[in-house]
Formats: sequence, structure tokens, C-alpha cells
Amino acid sequence: AQSVTQLDSQVPVFEEAPVELRCNYSSSVSVYLFWYVQYPNQGLQLLLKYLSGSTLVESINGFEAEFNKSQTSFHLRKPSVHISDTAEYFCAVSYTDKLIFGTGTRLQVFP
Amino acid sequence: GAGVSQTPSNKVTEKGKYVELRCDPISGHTALYWYRQSLGQGPEFLIYFQGTGAADDSGLPNDRFFAVRPEGSVSTLKIQRTERGDSAVYLCASSLRGGLTTGELFFGEGSRLTVL
Repeated sequence: AQSVTQLDSQVPVFEEAPVELRCNYSSSVSVYLFWYVQYPNQGLQLLLKYLSGSTLVESINGFEAEFNKSQTSFHLRKPSVHISDTAEYFCAVSYTDKLIFGTGTRLQVFP
Repeated sequence: GAGVSQTPSNKVTEKGKYVELRCDPISGHTALYWYRQSLGQGPEFLIYFQGTGAADDSGLPNDRFFAVRPEGSVSTLKIQRTERGDSAVYLCASSLRGGLTTGELFFGEGSRLTVL
């Protein structure tokens, strides 16, 4: 069965600094990988996804993630964060038509 | 509305009571999912509907939990004899066709259940 590990429960960072949120997964089969974001008092929203093709995927707001099959990782990165990026970020892996989520990483951006 | 709607947004009940949580998916979405999110945890899969039928109910924790989707649109999650451990945010999501080749589930804002 698939599982997802997000080692960092909280990541504090100053505005305009780079950030990396780590995600590792376990799977014996090909997978689809996702990052969802939950802003305060809002529902989960898809940030980006890897289904096939290029291993580097990007979001519209400057985040990117790279699928690394050999390391079973899908880390999320942004070169320069904004205050508005403060949110909870969840990595997820597909498994038989459902998503399995990690425990989440709270990104706190300080001015 | 345009998004997934869940009611009630908050529900406080006493141990042993019966609770119903409702989800109204995006119009035209055939797939509907229920997840549960406890404090400090990620969403935990409960059940997945494709149309009116439950395609996968492997995440329901026990027989106190039941969900229906009689007309292939609105779904109700039913919890009997609630326990304090059932306290969580219950999330509903829908997608256009089900399966994850398109990769996107649209989530509602959740129903926060507190069992006293």
C-alpha cells in the first residue's frame, strides 16, 4: 500500500527566502503525486501535480516540485516566498482512485 | 454555488447521538469522496462514490459509519452512536469523472464535528 511521509511539521521562513517542503512516498507501482494547499479558513486546493512526462512541475504562483523516482521523493520548492504563502501544505499519492495524504507541513512566512 | 458545499459547518453533539453530515458536490461531478481530518493529521480517506454506488468504502472505520448518495449528486455521511474519538473535520471532495488521471479533487471547507 502507498504511504506518504512529510518529515517537517512546521517550516518557519522569512519573506523572500527560499523554501523546500519535503515529501517522500512509498509505493511498489507507478504513482501520481500531488501537492495540496490549505490557506487559513479555506478548503484544500490543488497546487500542482505529477502524472507523467516531465519530472519537474510548476504551479501558477511560483512553486515547483520534482518527481524523483530513485529517491521516491516529490519535494516542493519556491525560490522566494511571500507572506501570502503562509498555509498548510499536504503531499499526496494516488492509490486505486483515491488520494493518500501526508500529515502536512505548516509553512509560516515572517516579514 | 460553484464549489463543493458542506453542511453544517460546525456540529456539536453528545456522546451516543446520531449525526448526519451533508455534501453537495460540484454540478456534473460523478465522483464524490469523504475524508476525515483529525487535529495535526492529514486527510484520511473514508469512502468514494462513483455515481450512486460506493466504489471503495475501505476507509470507513467501523459499522457506525455509513454514507449514501441515492441520486448520484448529494451525499450524506451518517455516524451512529458517536464517540469522542469521532471528533474531527469531515471533508468532502468531488471530481469530474473519478479516478485520478486528471489529478484534481475539489474540496469543500469541511464539517467540524465535536463530540462531547
